[in-house]
Amino acid sequence: KAGVTQTPRYLIKTRGQQVTLSCSPISGHRSVSWYQQTPGQGLQFLFEYFSETQRNKGNFPGRFSGRQFSNSRSEMNVSTLELGDSALYLCASSALAGDRKVTQYFGPGTRLTVL
Amino acid sequence: GENVEQHPSTLSVQEGDSAVIKCTYSDSASNYFPWYKQELGKRPQLIIDIRSNVGEKKDQRIAVTLNKTAKHFSLHITETQPEDSAVYFCAATYNQGGKLIFGQGTELSVKP
Repeated sequence: KAGVTQTPRYLIKTRGQQVTLSCSPISGHRSVSWYQQTPGQGLQFLFEYFSETQRNKGNFPGRFSGRQFSNSRSEMNVSTLELGDSALYLCASSALAGDRKVTQYFGPGTRLTVL
Repeated sequence: GENVEQHPSTLSVQEGDSAVIKCTYSDSASNYFPWYKQELGKRPQLIIDIRSNVGEKKDQRIAVTLNKTAKHFSLHITETQPEDSAVYFCAATYNQGGKLIFGQGTELSVKP
């Protein structure tokens, strides 16, 4: 099976702009989670989508949003970009929630730079 | 609140020695504990995981132990090799598994 893919891989934006990142999960996986990785804060959970519904949410401002489509592909959007949003954004997919098959497999990430 | 503490932040060992990384979690409802290895510029890769109904799990040179009472879990790497050099993250799941709370990471350096 193909792994988790993310597009674009690199992005440069300026403050105030908005950005949309895309994630395609492993075929058959219905859960997609998003994480922000920075040198200072490490890996922080943004949100999780399962069957097109946001099921979990981290402690990020409302400028960060996401959605999931019927084919399980997911997008995240960041509006009104700030310098502090510069980070590696990782998505991960897993097959099923609950006690079984919760292993998350990560994509290569999108490196966002805000100038 | 939900929190995972990981120690040490950096670890340097000689090739062939063992390495141990320790994590503590806060929520007793956590039931799944994965470990990821991240090499520079690459995605986190799962190396081993353990569920709350198991106390220890081994996979070749890697083992993980879990103490539910103390809310501790640890990664043990034996006979370390230079290619083990990377950043290692522990994590704990909350809320049906889709939310991973990560430790701060341990940068492991294995010197030849």
